[in-house]
Amino acid sequence: GAGVSQSPRYKVAKRGQDVALRCDPISGHVSLFWYQQALGQGPEFLTYFQNEAQLDKSGLPSDRFFAERPEGSVSTLKIQRTQQEDSAVYLCASSLELTSGGANEQFFGPGTRLTVL
Amino acid sequence: DAKTTQPNSMESNEEEPVHLPCNHSTISGTDYIHWYRQLPSQGPEYVIHGLTSNVNNRMASLAIAEDRKSSTLILHRATLRDAAVYYCILRGYSGGSNYKLTFGKGTLLTVNP
Repeated sequence: GAGVSQSPRYKVAKRGQDVALRCDPISGHVSLFWYQQALGQGPEFLTYFQNEAQLDKSGLPSDRFFAERPEGSVSTLKIQRTQQEDSAVYLCASSLELTSGGANEQFFGPGTRLTVL
Repeated sequence: DAKTTQPNSMESNEEEPVHLPCNHSTISGTDYIHWYRQLPSQGPEYVIHGLTSNVNNRMASLAIAEDRKSSTLILHRATLRDAAVYYCILRGYSGGSNYKLTFGKGTLLTVNP
């Protein structure tokens, strides 16, 4: 069956450019997450949506990072004026339940590898 | 948040069992123990989770110590496709920020042919 998909898989940007990363969650999944993974590290939480509502954006590194999920399905993570330290893999995950805790499983996409030159 | 401690790396031979340990001495009574793994160039994938009792599924087994301060992920017969980084994660049952996964560095498992 269809899993979580992300596009593009690879993105190279020049410092200062804006980028937009797309996530298509599993159909019907209420919860959507973005994580950032630096080389050699585990993923780190960026933001969380429940349907179209962004309930937690505490992990976004700066105000250059913006995420949206306007219709409660597809989500876009936008990074303005990219910097070299933004280079990382950006992972999207979705989950079926309304409150994703305890026993609930998150399904991850393959990630978008962003390289900022 | 309660933290977990895992060895940085482990090595195994193909077709042999693998026991991946995780210490979580500050675990609370309502924390679930989750394991995810991340194969090269892929996103993490769920492996197994448990609360108090040992658990089995098609991928692995999870053995939880009686005091719940440690757990062990068991791969019964390692294959080359099991080579990955394995993450042990605690998640609260409800409330707070239990919706998000807090990853450590995990254990890099190498499987030798």
